[in-house]
Order: sequence, then C-alpha cells, then structure tokens
Amino acid sequence: DQQVKQNSPSLSVQEGRISILNCDYTNSMFDYFLWYKKYPAEGPTFLISISSIKDKNEDGRFTVFLNKSAKHLSLHIVPSQPGDSAVYFCAASVVGNQFYFGTGTSLTVIP
Amino acid sequence: ETGVTQSPTHLIKTRGQQVTLRCSSQSGHNTVSWYQQALGQGPQFIFQYYREEENGRGNFPPRFSGLQFPNYSSELNVNALELDDSALYLCASSFWRGEQFFGPGTRLTVL
Repeated sequence: DQQVKQNSPSLSVQEGRISILNCDYTNSMFDYFLWYKKYPAEGPTFLISISSIKDKNEDGRFTVFLNKSAKHLSLHIVPSQPGDSAVYFCAASVVGNQFYFGTGTSLTVIP
Repeated sequence: ETGVTQSPTHLIKTRGQQVTLRCSSQSGHNTVSWYQQALGQGPQFIFQYYREEENGRGNFPPRFSGLQFPNYSSELNVNALELDDSALYLCASSFWRGEQFFGPGTRLTVL
C-alpha cells in the first residue's frame, strides 16, 4: 500500500534551469510533508518541510508547493546546480507518527 | 553537537542468523525511528521508540525487534534472517514529534 508516490524515477536538468520534482499521496489525514535529499553512502538529509495549513514554503533556492485538493506536493529548485544531483524523497505523516516515503527521484543536473 | 551515528556500516550474514544494529541518537533527542530501505525503494518504517517504549510499528514481522536505552541510543535486532532482509537500515532521531535526523545507515547483506 504505497501511500506516497513519486512517479518519475529520474530527472535530468541543465545547470541554471528549474528542477521540478513531484509527489502524490493518497491519505487525506497527512498533515506534515518533507523533502529529503540523499547522496550515495549517506543517510537522507532534511531539505524542506511544509505543514498542511500552508500551500507554499520557501528556503533559498528550494520551494515546496502543496495542493491538498489534488493531494500533490512538488519541490522546485531554482536555479539548479550540479551539487543538487542526488536522490530526492518526499515523505508524509500525521504529525508525531511514522513517515511514509516515496520511492525517490534521481536528479541529475548537467553542467 | 554529535549527529546520528550507526554501527556497523556494512554487515554480511547468512540465512537463519541473527543480527544487531546500533544507533546513537543526536544529543538531546528522545525518539528513535528505524527504517528499512530496499534497493530502489524509499525507506519503510519499522518501528519507533520514545523514552524506551515502542511507540508505533510498521508492517514488519515480530522477528524484527528493538530496544531503546536510557541514553536514548537504540538497537534493532533481526532474528532468523531471510534473503529479503538485505537492505540499508536507517535510524533517525528526533525530539518527540519533531524533525527526524537520519544516520548514514547500515548496509546488511544476507547470503
């Protein structure tokens, strides 16, 4: 039962352009969402979060958008940099409970 | 401030054996969550410990068990290992209901 889905296993973007990573969820009770970045041989690193009371959260080059009616989450990276190349996971939870992760999207930023 | 550490980094076992993985939580954190990440998948929640008590469990059989110690470090024990247990095991520490910080993981291979 995959409650969080990332339908694009990979994405390639030119340096300086926008990267858009998408995530869909099925459980309408989720009220807290995260994006994690993972490099090989490292654990996931927290990137940005959003609670269900907001529809947008920005942190520097990273913006997360939440569309609750569509049960859709997206991460925008502008401008994309080669160091952003990694696997990105979205995760969702009911606050205080377990996180459900998507299967990840591998982003490659081409110099 | 010390981050989340896990030991060992790599481990090879054979079917039917037992394994213990260890996690030291970040200073001040009282909650530890364990995740299993199979190849090409997102992390799957195993269980969470809060103040030495199990507080939530994912869809894993009883041969997956854990402990949390008074210093909030934790162990994950897996009995009767199966080939499908081969995965990256991640622990994440947090304050109760707070952001989770992940360790680098333990790569378990079952032959």
